[in-house]
Amino acid sequence: RKEVEQDPGPFNVPEGATVAFNCTYSNSASQSFFWYRQDCRKEPKLLMSVYSSGNEDGRFTAQLNRASQYISLLIRDSKLSDSATYLCVVNIGNDYKLSFGAGTTVTVRA
Amino acid sequence: SAVISQKPSRDICQRGTSLTIQCQVDSQVTMMFWYRQQPGQSLTLIATANQGSEATYESGFVIDKFPISRPNLTFSTLTVSNMSPEDSSIYLCSVFSHGSGSNEQYFGPGTRLTVT
Repeated sequence: RKEVEQDPGPFNVPEGATVAFNCTYSNSASQSFFWYRQDCRKEPKLLMSVYSSGNEDGRFTAQLNRASQYISLLIRDSKLSDSATYLCVVNIGNDYKLSFGAGTTVTVRA
Repeated sequence: SAVISQKPSRDICQRGTSLTIQCQVDSQVTMMFWYRQQPGQSLTLIATANQGSEATYESGFVIDKFPISRPNLTFSTLTVSNMSPEDSSIYLCSVFSHGSGSNEQYFGPGTRLTVT
């Protein structure tokens, strides 16, 4: 079983729509959780960390459910510039090594 | 934040040859990592580059195939040895940086390797 699993999508949504997707992780000892964004042929960049109480950053809302071992990302009022692959990332221990999901592709159309 | 550069940005190599990828960071960092991203897949950690000691390799990766150097706190190299087409991938170096109130891993722009 993969450490981090994501729905690959693609999610094709119109501008202004809300899109949400999840990721599950297998190791209950996982400590830190992140969403990274990767544009085509570019390196991953941190979108936001995910905190236990859930957190929001502008149009982006992340939730963590430790009991069910899943993380979610919701994008409100989608923009064309939100089109990217969103990577769910988990850190299990204190060694800063990251486990990446395969990514969820989002395409926002005009 | 950390600014990372990698050389080369891309290369096309013949099977059986080796390629050394360089990673330069604009500040001293303790933790440096090398990842691989194969076509259509996500990132897989190859190894942690340790300054002053041998690299720590993840399961499925060995030093003979991916020798790593870390001569100082701002620089590391990854060599892909005796290449085969299966090594065609993007190789990314990454550093961990403690920001004010946040921890973040930064990635270099990647080296796109094609083995023919």
